[in-house]
Amino acid sequence: DIQMTQSPSTLSASIGERVTITCRASQSISSWLAWYQQKPGKAPKLLIQRASNLESGVSSRFSGSGSGTEFTLTISSLQPDDIGTYYCHEYDSNLWTFGQGTKVEIK
Amino acid sequence: EVRLLESGGGLEQPGGSLRLSCEASGFTFSTYDMTWVRQAPGKGLEEVSVISGRDGWVNYADSVKGRFTISRDDSKNTLYLQMISLRVEDTAVYYCAGRRGHGYAMDVWGQGTAVTVSS
Repeated sequence: DIQMTQSPSTLSASIGERVTITCRASQSISSWLAWYQQKPGKAPKLLIQRASNLESGVSSRFSGSGSGTEFTLTISSLQPDDIGTYYCHEYDSNLWTFGQGTKVEIK
Repeated sequence: EVRLLESGGGLEQPGGSLRLSCEASGFTFSTYDMTWVRQAPGKGLEEVSVISGRDGWVNYADSVKGRFTISRDDSKNTLYLQMISLRVEDTAVYYCAGRRGHGYAMDVWGQGTAVTVSS
């Protein structure tokens, strides 16, 4: 089974600050990597798929990069609406795996 | 409007059974790979089971293999999850989600249905 490891588990940053979340896969997943944002009590929302393809309607503050086993999600300028938990997700294997999540808070 | 609506959650005793349903609308359900993802209280996301739209291929997480059965009725645009021999650790919000096929991530999600297993 593919394991996905996210870091950090919690992130506290100021409004306007650049934020980066890292996700590592236990084996190569090419670019089959998505990023989701989840707010409390809500379903996850797809932000990015294929490692770097921004979903329609998602703010351009969000960007993704990486391939193989190392991936990053960057928020260029943190805004209040960006608070929530972010999950990376591989969809290369037969049963897809999520990272453990990164909770983003405003400092 | 693209929509997934789950139902069937509730309180069940350990060893009991529940059947979750997920009704789809606003997209071509039969062509979508569909999955159930659960989230235990205060925890992360775990994919429980997947069924492909192309050929009905299914897969399960080891934690539910032999106890949960995923199925779909494309004539009713509905996804199901039959859960038997429920355990306390199955307590979670269960989301159905879908993707348009290989190479795509899950871009359609329901609002979730809560399952509580407790005596």
